[in-house]
Amino acid sequence: AAGVIQSPRHLIKEKRETATLKCYPIPRHDTVYWYQQGPGQDPQFLISFYEKMQSDKGSIPDRFSAQQFSDYHSELNMSSLELGDSALYFCASSPRGHWQQYFGPGTRLTVT
Amino acid sequence: AQRVTQPEKLLSVFKGAPVELKCNYSYSGSPELFWYVQYSRQRLQLLLRHISRESIKGFTADLNKGETSFHLKKPFAQEEDSAMYYCALWSGANSKLTFGKGITLSVRP
Repeated sequence: AAGVIQSPRHLIKEKRETATLKCYPIPRHDTVYWYQQGPGQDPQFLISFYEKMQSDKGSIPDRFSAQQFSDYHSELNMSSLELGDSALYFCASSPRGHWQQYFGPGTRLTVT
Repeated sequence: AQRVTQPEKLLSVFKGAPVELKCNYSYSGSPELFWYVQYSRQRLQLLLRHISRESIKGFTADLNKGETSFHLKKPFAQEEDSAMYYCALWSGANSKLTFGKGITLSVRP
């Protein structure tokens, strides 16, 4: 069965650069969630979208923005990157309001 | 506010030993609790949901509302159980999943 797809899987950027992470949900899933997992840390909720509208916001820095498109894929845009942004960024998808989130493999961002 | 606490970071046992991974929660409503597992270099995946009350890969977890706990147990650990385990709480009000800090289970031969 198709799973959540994230691209790229690995990304290396320098400080103050920008990065765009992409997430393709499972077909017919209309809700997308983004999480940040720092080294040795638990996944921290960043933001979620339902039907292209932001539905909830967590600890997402102002330097980050995200959106969901008409095909339900989502992009997380990160600007003015800092060393502390180095982390694994997970995307998850679910049908609206459903408790089970299906996670992607993550994008490992390294900021040097 | 919802909170999930996993008090230990690492549990190392020998194969065949019993395992208990602790999880406590704080939530004002009726909680929905889960255990997620992350094997090395793999994505997070759901292991157990408290409502289902089933045993997956020999693991069970019982919700104890009096102690606000949802500990994960397995009577006889296997080497393939070595992974990172996260306890998580779901809030239906805002569709938010809150994770604990996770615990690394290491099962030695």
